[in-house]
Order: sequence, then structure tokens, then C-alpha cells
Amino acid sequence: GQNIDQPTEMTATEGAIVQINCTYQTSGFNGLFWYQQHAGEAPTFLSYNVLDGLEEKGRFSSFLSRSKGYSYLLLKELQMKDSASYLCAVRDGSSNTGKLIFGQGTTLQVKP
Amino acid sequence: NAGVTQTPKFQVLKTGQSMTLQCAQDMNHEYMSWYRQDPGMGLRLIHYSVGAGITDQGEVPNGYNVSRSTTEDFPLRLLSAAPSQTSVYFCASSYMELAGYTGELFFGEGSRLTVL
Repeated sequence: GQNIDQPTEMTATEGAIVQINCTYQTSGFNGLFWYQQHAGEAPTFLSYNVLDGLEEKGRFSSFLSRSKGYSYLLLKELQMKDSASYLCAVRDGSSNTGKLIFGQGTTLQVKP
Repeated sequence: NAGVTQTPKFQVLKTGQSMTLQCAQDMNHEYMSWYRQDPGMGLRLIHYSVGAGITDQGEVPNGYNVSRSTTEDFPLRLLSAAPSQTSVYFCASSYMELAGYTGELFFGEGSRLTVL
């Protein structure tokens, strides 16, 4: 079966660093995605990992360990606009398409 | 550049009514899909398509039909609406895999459906 777990909610302070974890158990694996979704809006793509290690993109970094079924999204220098839901998604191993299975999402609240 | 366009943005239905959510993309994406998003449940895949004339079921297909007659359009039909189908629906599309391409999904703005 497919199972993707993330914490439901997190709170952090403006200017700080926060790490959002994601663990997955899927029948196959062909890449892990992170999306950001502001309330009432569509998800937007943040990052993609298919090999083990860290991918850095500005204030956001994403890490993957395939052997542990584990990823995290690291947000540095938090800003108020980073308050949003962060969705972890895994691409089915048998697919080369955008067919993604999503976790339930982590709602991040950034406080002044 | 329109991207992925969904209509309507809001709809209220009575139990038993049928309706179609429209989705169109202008990026020539082969892959298109429909998700529903409910509080605490995340995004769940309803149906998807890898090209014109080809569709397949996702995690929660019951109560929904799709067709893909063109590359651009992928409508979602609710045959007989039920209160359990009250949700926010997202259409999303992507290229099929190209060398070095992530295959990220591009989402429409969503359609909020309430079934009374």
C-alpha cells in the first residue's frame, strides 16, 4: 500500500529555521516532490528529489534518504508569507508520469 | 499564458444532480489528472489520463467519470451527486517524462463544490 506521513501542524518564528519531515512507504519510488499551498489557492511546486542528498533552492532545501523512506523540507529565514501548507508527494515507481500520491500536508504558521 | 483552467470555481448542487467540472490546459501536456482535497485528508487522486483516449482510475474513483477526447481537455463528471462529494477539486497536468525533467504537476485554481 501507499502511506505518506507528515506532521499536521507546526509553528515557528519569523526569521527562524523550520524543518518539515515526511516519511513514506510506497510500492515503488520514482521521485519525491514538495509543494506549497496557501489557503484558498492551488498547490505550487517547490522542490524535487530523486537521488539521495540535499537539493538547495534559495531559502528552501529538500533532503531525501531512499533507504529510510524519509525526506525533509528546510525553510530558512522564515517570513510571514511562508505561512502555508506544505505537501509531500511521491511519484509511483511504475510511472513516468506526474501521477503523485500526496501526504495530508503540514500547516505551518509563522509568528512575528 | 493561461496554464490550467478550471470551471466553475464554485458550484452548489442538490443530492442526485449531475454536473461536469471542466479542465483545459494549453501547455500540450500529455498527462492530466483530477484530485479532491478534503480537510485532514490531503489531495487524493480520482482519475488520470496519459493521453487522448486513455484514462485510468486513481485512489477514489467511485461516483466520478472522465473522458479525454483531446490533449487539451479533461472533464470530470459527477453522475449523481452525494454530500460526501462536497470538496475542493483540482485539475493538474504535466509532461510525460523527458530526460532530466521532473514531471512536476501544474495545478488549476480549484473548483469548490457543495452538495446539499
